[in-house]
Amino acid sequence: DAGVIQSPRHEVTEMGQEVTLRCKPISGHNSLFWYRQTMMRGLELLIYFNNNVPIDDSGMPEDRFSAKMPNASFSTLKIQPSEPRDSAVYFCASSFAGETYEQYFGPGTRLTVT
Amino acid sequence: GEDVEQSLFLSVREGDSSVINCTYTDSSSTYLYWYKQEPGAGLQLLTYIFSNMDMKQDQRLTVLLNKKDKHLSLRIADTQTGDSAIYFCAETPGGATNKLIFGTGTLLAVQP
Repeated sequence: DAGVIQSPRHEVTEMGQEVTLRCKPISGHNSLFWYRQTMMRGLELLIYFNNNVPIDDSGMPEDRFSAKMPNASFSTLKIQPSEPRDSAVYFCASSFAGETYEQYFGPGTRLTVT
Repeated sequence: GEDVEQSLFLSVREGDSSVINCTYTDSSSTYLYWYKQEPGAGLQLLTYIFSNMDMKQDQRLTVLLNKKDKHLSLRIADTQTGDSAIYFCAETPGGATNKLIFGTGTLLAVQP
Protein backbone atom coordinates (compact mmCIF):
# COMPACT_ATOMS: atom_id res chain seq x y z
CA ASP A 1 0.00 0.00 0.00
CA ALA A 2 1.64 3.23 -1.20
CA GLY A 3 -0.42 5.50 1.01
CA VAL A 4 -1.82 8.81 -0.13
CA ILE A 5 0.26 10.28 -2.93
CA GLN A 6 0.52 14.01 -3.55
CA SER A 7 2.29 15.92 -6.26
CA PRO A 8 4.21 18.06 -6.55
CA ARG A 9 5.93 18.00 -3.16
CA HIS A 10 7.09 21.57 -3.59
CA GLU A 11 5.74 24.31 -5.82
CA VAL A 12 7.09 27.82 -6.21
CA THR A 13 5.13 30.17 -8.42
CA GLU A 14 4.60 33.84 -9.04
CA MET A 15 1.55 35.75 -7.99
CA GLY A 16 -1.20 35.53 -10.58
CA GLN A 17 -0.22 32.12 -11.90
CA GLU A 18 -2.46 29.08 -11.83
CA VAL A 19 -1.47 26.28 -9.47
CA THR A 20 -2.76 22.72 -9.57
CA LEU A 21 -2.16 20.29 -6.74
CA ARG A 22 -2.80 16.59 -7.22
CA CYS A 23 -3.77 13.74 -4.97
CA LYS A 24 -4.17 10.00 -5.32
CA PRO A 25 -6.03 8.49 -2.35
CA ILE A 26 -5.50 5.05 -0.90
CA SER A 27 -7.16 2.42 -3.05
CA GLY A 28 -10.56 1.45 -1.66
CA HIS A 29 -11.05 4.64 0.32
CA ASN A 30 -14.24 6.50 -0.53
CA SER A 31 -13.65 9.85 1.18
CA LEU A 32 -11.07 12.46 0.30
CA PHE A 33 -10.15 15.62 2.18
CA TRP A 34 -8.10 18.69 1.29
CA TYR A 35 -6.47 20.64 4.14
CA ARG A 36 -4.28 23.72 4.34
CA GLN A 37 -1.75 24.25 7.12
CA THR A 38 -0.13 27.55 8.06
CA MET A 39 1.57 28.82 11.18
CA MET A 40 -1.07 31.48 11.67
CA ARG A 41 -4.22 29.47 11.06
CA GLY A 42 -3.15 25.92 11.85
CA LEU A 43 -4.81 23.04 10.01
CA GLU A 44 -7.92 24.02 8.04
CA LEU A 45 -10.29 21.71 6.19
CA LEU A 46 -10.93 23.17 2.74
CA ILE A 47 -13.25 20.63 1.16
CA TYR A 48 -14.11 16.96 1.28
CA PHE A 49 -15.64 14.41 -1.05
CA ASN A 50 -17.60 11.24 -0.42
CA ASN A 51 -17.75 8.83 -3.36
CA ASN A 52 -16.32 11.55 -5.63
CA VAL A 53 -19.08 14.02 -4.71
CA PRO A 54 -18.21 17.26 -2.90
CA ILE A 55 -19.96 17.24 0.46
CA ASP A 56 -18.69 20.30 2.28
CA ASP A 57 -16.73 23.10 0.64
CA SER A 58 -17.39 25.69 3.32
CA GLY A 59 -13.68 25.89 4.08
CA MET A 60 -12.69 26.94 0.57
CA PRO A 61 -11.33 30.47 1.03
CA GLU A 62 -12.80 32.10 -2.04
CA ASP A 63 -13.67 31.61 -5.67
CA ARG A 64 -10.03 31.43 -6.64
CA PHE A 65 -9.98 27.93 -5.15
CA SER A 66 -11.64 24.96 -6.82
CA ALA A 67 -11.43 21.21 -6.32
CA LYS A 68 -12.46 18.28 -8.44
CA MET A 69 -12.59 14.53 -8.07
CA PRO A 70 -13.26 13.04 -11.52
CA ASN A 71 -12.85 9.47 -10.28
CA ALA A 72 -12.15 7.47 -7.14
CA SER A 73 -8.40 7.54 -7.60
CA PHE A 74 -7.66 11.18 -8.37
CA SER A 75 -8.40 14.67 -7.11
CA THR A 76 -7.09 18.14 -7.88
CA LEU A 77 -7.06 21.42 -6.00
CA LYS A 78 -6.63 24.44 -8.21
CA ILE A 79 -5.82 28.01 -7.28
CA GLN A 80 -6.32 30.62 -9.97
CA PRO A 81 -4.96 33.24 -9.74
CA SER A 82 -2.58 32.50 -6.90
CA GLU A 83 -1.65 35.11 -4.28
CA PRO A 84 1.20 35.27 -1.74
CA ARG A 85 -1.25 34.62 1.11
CA ASP A 86 -1.97 31.22 -0.42
CA SER A 87 1.52 30.09 0.58
CA ALA A 88 1.03 27.08 2.86
CA VAL A 89 1.35 23.32 3.03
CA TYR A 90 -1.61 21.61 1.42
CA PHE A 91 -2.48 18.12 2.58
CA CYS A 92 -4.70 15.53 1.04
CA ALA A 93 -6.15 12.77 3.21
CA SER A 94 -8.38 9.81 2.51
CA SER A 95 -10.53 7.51 4.58
CA PHE A 96 -13.01 4.75 4.30
CA ALA A 97 -16.32 6.15 5.50
CA GLY A 98 -17.20 3.08 7.48
CA GLU A 99 -17.14 2.94 11.22
CA THR A 100 -14.06 4.60 12.65
CA TYR A 101 -13.46 7.44 10.20
CA GLU A 102 -9.69 7.64 10.65
CA GLN A 103 -7.98 9.64 7.93
CA TYR A 104 -4.66 8.88 6.29
CA PHE A 105 -2.62 11.87 5.21
CA GLY A 106 -0.33 12.40 2.28
CA PRO A 107 3.10 14.06 2.67
CA GLY A 108 1.75 17.44 1.60
CA THR A 109 2.60 19.99 -1.06
CA ARG A 110 4.52 23.04 0.12
CA LEU A 111 3.31 25.98 -1.98
CA THR A 112 5.20 29.25 -2.11
CA VAL A 113 3.69 32.14 -4.04
CA THR A 114 6.05 35.05 -4.59
CA GLY B 1 -20.17 24.60 18.07
CA GLU B 2 -17.17 22.67 16.86
CA ASP B 3 -14.01 23.59 18.75
CA VAL B 4 -11.09 21.47 19.88
CA GLU B 5 -8.47 23.11 22.07
CA GLN B 6 -4.97 22.14 23.09
CA SER B 7 -2.09 23.82 24.80
CA LEU B 8 0.50 24.98 22.29
CA PHE B 9 3.73 23.71 23.79
CA LEU B 10 5.08 21.07 26.15
CA SER B 11 8.70 20.46 27.08
CA VAL B 12 9.88 17.31 28.85
CA ARG B 13 13.14 15.54 29.54
CA GLU B 14 14.01 12.30 27.83
CA GLY B 15 12.78 9.35 29.91
CA ASP B 16 10.02 11.32 31.62
CA SER B 17 6.32 10.88 30.88
CA SER B 18 4.53 13.40 28.67
CA VAL B 19 0.87 14.26 29.03
CA ILE B 20 -0.81 16.17 26.25
CA ASN B 21 -4.31 17.46 26.93
CA CYS B 22 -7.26 18.29 24.73
CA THR B 23 -10.75 19.60 25.31
CA TYR B 24 -13.58 19.27 22.84
CA THR B 25 -17.11 20.59 22.70
CA ASP B 26 -19.22 18.09 20.77
CA SER B 27 -20.63 15.60 23.27
CA SER B 28 -21.97 13.45 20.44
CA SER B 29 -18.51 12.65 19.10
CA THR B 30 -18.23 8.92 18.53
CA TYR B 31 -14.48 8.63 18.11
CA LEU B 32 -11.56 10.75 19.27
CA TYR B 33 -8.12 10.57 17.73
CA TRP B 34 -4.52 11.43 18.33
CA TYR B 35 -2.29 12.25 15.37
CA LYS B 36 1.44 12.95 15.27
CA GLN B 37 3.13 15.30 12.79
CA GLU B 38 6.89 15.19 12.42
CA PRO B 39 8.72 18.06 10.71
CA GLY B 40 8.08 18.19 6.99
CA ALA B 41 5.60 15.33 7.04
CA GLY B 42 1.88 14.75 7.02
CA LEU B 43 -0.18 13.77 10.03
CA GLN B 44 0.12 10.17 11.13
CA LEU B 45 -2.62 8.44 13.09
CA LEU B 46 -1.32 7.28 16.48
CA THR B 47 -4.40 5.91 18.14
CA TYR B 48 -8.10 6.48 18.61
CA ILE B 49 -10.66 5.80 21.31
CA PHE B 50 -14.34 5.08 21.09
CA SER B 51 -16.50 7.41 23.13
CA ASN B 52 -17.88 4.66 25.36
CA MET B 53 -14.37 3.84 26.60
CA ASP B 54 -12.48 5.76 29.25
CA MET B 55 -9.01 4.39 28.64
CA LYS B 56 -6.99 2.76 25.91
CA GLN B 57 -3.39 1.62 26.16
CA ASP B 58 -1.08 0.85 23.28
CA GLN B 59 2.53 0.19 24.24
CA ARG B 60 3.94 3.51 25.51
CA LEU B 61 0.74 5.38 24.73
CA THR B 62 -2.21 5.73 27.09
CA VAL B 63 -5.34 7.61 26.10
CA LEU B 64 -7.71 8.79 28.80
CA LEU B 65 -11.18 10.07 28.04
CA ASN B 66 -13.38 11.98 30.46
CA LYS B 67 -16.60 12.29 28.56
CA LYS B 68 -18.35 14.26 31.29
CA ASP B 69 -15.73 17.01 31.11
CA LYS B 70 -15.08 16.52 27.37
CA HIS B 71 -11.41 16.05 28.12
CA LEU B 72 -8.99 13.80 26.27
CA SER B 73 -5.36 13.18 27.14
CA LEU B 74 -2.42 11.34 25.63
CA ARG B 75 0.28 10.03 27.92
CA ILE B 76 3.59 8.97 26.45
CA ALA B 77 5.66 6.89 28.82
CA ASP B 78 9.46 6.99 28.72
CA THR B 79 9.47 9.86 26.23
CA GLN B 80 12.24 9.70 23.64
CA THR B 81 13.78 12.39 21.45
CA GLY B 82 12.04 10.73 18.50
CA ASP B 83 8.72 11.63 20.09
CA SER B 84 9.41 15.31 19.43
CA ALA B 85 6.63 16.41 17.09
CA ILE B 86 3.30 18.21 16.95
CA TYR B 87 0.41 16.19 18.39
CA PHE B 88 -3.14 16.83 17.25
CA CYS B 89 -6.32 15.58 18.82
CA ALA B 90 -9.41 15.30 16.64
CA GLU B 91 -13.08 14.48 17.08
CA THR B 92 -15.87 13.31 14.84
CA PRO B 93 -18.62 15.91 15.08
CA GLY B 94 -22.18 14.78 15.50
CA GLY B 95 -24.47 14.37 12.55
CA ALA B 96 -24.13 12.62 9.23
CA THR B 97 -20.56 13.58 8.49
CA ASN B 98 -17.26 11.78 8.41
CA LYS B 99 -15.07 14.85 8.62
CA LEU B 100 -12.76 15.32 11.60
CA ILE B 101 -12.38 18.46 13.67
CA PHE B 102 -8.72 18.92 14.58
CA GLY B 103 -7.28 20.75 17.54
CA THR B 104 -4.64 23.43 17.27
CA GLY B 105 -1.80 20.99 17.90
CA THR B 106 0.69 20.72 20.78
CA LEU B 107 4.39 20.96 20.05
CA LEU B 108 6.21 18.41 22.20
CA ALA B 109 9.90 19.15 22.70
CA VAL B 110 11.95 16.40 24.28
CA GLN B 111 15.19 17.54 25.89
CA PRO B 112 18.06 15.03 26.02
